[in-house]
Amino acid sequence: KAGVTQTPRYLIKTRGQQVTLSCSPISGHRSVSWYQQTPGQGLQFLFEYFSETQRNKGNFPGRFSGRQFSNSRSEMNVSTLELGDSALYLCASSWGPSGRPDTQYFGPGTRLTVL
Amino acid sequence: DQQVKQNSPSLSVQEGRISILNCDYTNSMFDYFLWYKKYPAEGPTFLISISSIKDKNEDGRFTVFLNKSAKHLSLHIVPSQPGDSAVYFCAASARGSQGNLIFGKGTKLSVKP
Repeated sequence: KAGVTQTPRYLIKTRGQQVTLSCSPISGHRSVSWYQQTPGQGLQFLFEYFSETQRNKGNFPGRFSGRQFSNSRSEMNVSTLELGDSALYLCASSWGPSGRPDTQYFGPGTRLTVL
Repeated sequence: DQQVKQNSPSLSVQEGRISILNCDYTNSMFDYFLWYKKYPAEGPTFLISISSIKDKNEDGRFTVFLNKSAKHLSLHIVPSQPGDSAVYFCAASARGSQGNLIFGKGTKLSVKP
């Protein structure tokens, strides 16, 4: 079974631009979560989608948004990029039914550098 | 305020000995706990998990212990191998919010041959 895939693996953008990252979950998984990893803050939760609906949201500004498609693939968008958005962006997928403990499996990440 | 804390940024262990990584949490709503292993510039790899209804879970060389009254969990690796050298993250999820994992800052484990 193929794991979680993320594209692109590396991105370089300049301040003020916008960026879209893509994530394909493990086959059969319906939940996709996004995380930001930086040296200072560690791994921080951005948001989670389940069956095309945002189910949970972390404490990030509205410049960070996402969506999920009917095939469970997800995209994350960051608008008006700032230098502080430079980070490793990780996507994780899980089966996702509500009310049950669920293990998330991570993709390799997209390294975003903002110049 | 950190809800999941890994107070040891690093740990060095001799090959063949036991590695014990610790994690404390503050949120009593957490009901599922996971350990991940991570190499630089890669995504975390799931190792082992434990539900709050249990106090121990084993998988090969990895055992996780949960002490709910102390809000403490630990990961034991026996025997430790050089390939275990990586950063280990403890994570927790709360009832009704399982899509949101709260991570500790990680412990860097070095296993010396």
